[in-house]
Amino acid sequence: AQSVAQPEDQVNVAEGNPLTVKCTYSVSGNPYLFWYVQYPNRGLQFLLKYITGDNLVKGSYGFEAEFNKSQTSFHLKKPSALVSDSALYFCAGTGANNLFFGTGTRLTVIP
Amino acid sequence: NAGVTQTPKFQVLKTGQSMTLQCAQDMNHEYMSWYRQDPGMGLRLIHYSVGAGITDQGEVPNGYNVSRSTTEDFPLRLLSAAPSQTSVYFCASSYMGSSGANVLTFGAGSRLTVL
Repeated sequence: AQSVAQPEDQVNVAEGNPLTVKCTYSVSGNPYLFWYVQYPNRGLQFLLKYITGDNLVKGSYGFEAEFNKSQTSFHLKKPSALVSDSALYFCAGTGANNLFFGTGTRLTVIP
Repeated sequence: NAGVTQTPKFQVLKTGQSMTLQCAQDMNHEYMSWYRQDPGMGLRLIHYSVGAGITDQGEVPNGYNVSRSTTEDFPLRLLSAAPSQTSVYFCASSYMGSSGANVLTFGAGSRLTVL
C-alpha cells in the first residue's frame, strides 16, 4: 500500500535555529509529494510539492524540502525558525486520484 | 474569492441523529473530497468526487453518504450518527490535472461531537 510516514509526533526547536520535519514515503512509480501546514482551528494550507526535477523544492514562508530517492525521504526544512512557524505539519503523497496523508508532526518553536 | 466554505463550524449530535455537513467551492474545481481528522491518525479520506454526478469511496466511507449534483457543492451526510464519528471534518477541492500533482484547497473544518 502507498503511504507516507512522519516518525516524529512532536519537534521542538529554538527560535532562530534550523528546523527539520521528517517524512518518508512508500509510493510506487514516480512519487508526487507535498507538505501542508495547519494552524490552530484552521484548515490545511499548501506549502510546497515535489513532482520531478530538482531535488530541492522551495515553498511558502521560507520553507524548503529535499527529495531523496535513495532514502525515500522528503524532509521539510527551514534555515531559521520563527515562533510563528509553530503549527501542525503534514506530509502527503498522491495515489491515483487521491492524496494520502501522514499522521502529522507538531512543531513548536521556543522563543 | 471565498474558496472552500464549510458549514456548520461546530455541531453536537445525539447518537442516532442524522445531519448534513455542507461544502461549497467557488473556484470551479472538478475534484472535491471529504476528510476526517483524528488525533494521531492524520487525515483520512471519506468520499471524493471527480465531477458532478460522480462520487466514490475513500478509506473510511462507512456511515457517510455523499452526492454531487453541481460542480460547486459536495454535502456529506451522516445517516445515523455514532460516537465514533466524533471528529473534525474537512472538505477540500482542486482542479483535475493529468499529472495527479494537484494542490488541494481546504475549508476551515467542521467539528462534530456525537454524544
